[in-house]
Amino acid sequence: AQRVTQPEKLLSVFKGAPVELKCNYSYSGSPELFWYVQYSRQRLQLLLRHISRESIKGFTADLNKGETSFHLKKPFAQEEDSAMYYCALSEIQGAQKLVFGQGTRLTINP
Amino acid sequence: EAGVAQSPRYKIIEKRQSVAFWCNPISGHATLYWYQQILGQGPKLLIQFQNNGVVDDSQLPKDRFSAERLKGVDSTLKIQPAKLEDSAVYLCASSRRGGLIYNEQFFGPGTRLTVL
Repeated sequence: AQRVTQPEKLLSVFKGAPVELKCNYSYSGSPELFWYVQYSRQRLQLLLRHISRESIKGFTADLNKGETSFHLKKPFAQEEDSAMYYCALSEIQGAQKLVFGQGTRLTINP
Repeated sequence: EAGVAQSPRYKIIEKRQSVAFWCNPISGHATLYWYQQILGQGPKLLIQFQNNGVVDDSQLPKDRFSAERLKGVDSTLKIQPAKLEDSAVYLCASSRRGGLIYNEQFFGPGTRLTVL
């Protein structure tokens, strides 16, 4: 069965500190992995996808197939990073529906 | 380009009443999704359309939920009769036609439903 697990519902760090949001997945095959973000009063939007290997707003995520993890990292947190973060997976082809984790609320303290 | 539009933004009803939500996707997007997001959880797919055909409705509670996309553009999601556990945010998303590459989904603002 497809499943995405984000073990932390809440994460609080100080500005300038490193951030790591954890994500583990289970999927029979090779999925595409994503991080979505929802800032206060804004829509859910794509932050990054593993296949593009981009760094967006200083965030990176490495796919570890052995550990079935896709943790999101940023070396120096900024106050504007405070938001709700969702890890998600999708099959690469076919229906391409998204399966989301429960989300982690990240708060950056000044 | 204009984003995904949804209405209403908020709805409060009593249990056993009916409710309908409307979604207008981004122009040219063939695929439309309805997700249900219960408080404290991530979005869960209810139904996916490709043009006016259903691709996946395996998690749609068909005894009370229905959805249509008659002309392959906008869509409505209906709940009849509503239960307390239907209280959630209903998100609509759209993407270009699925195929050999992944197509990004763009989300609407959502409709927050409260069932009393």
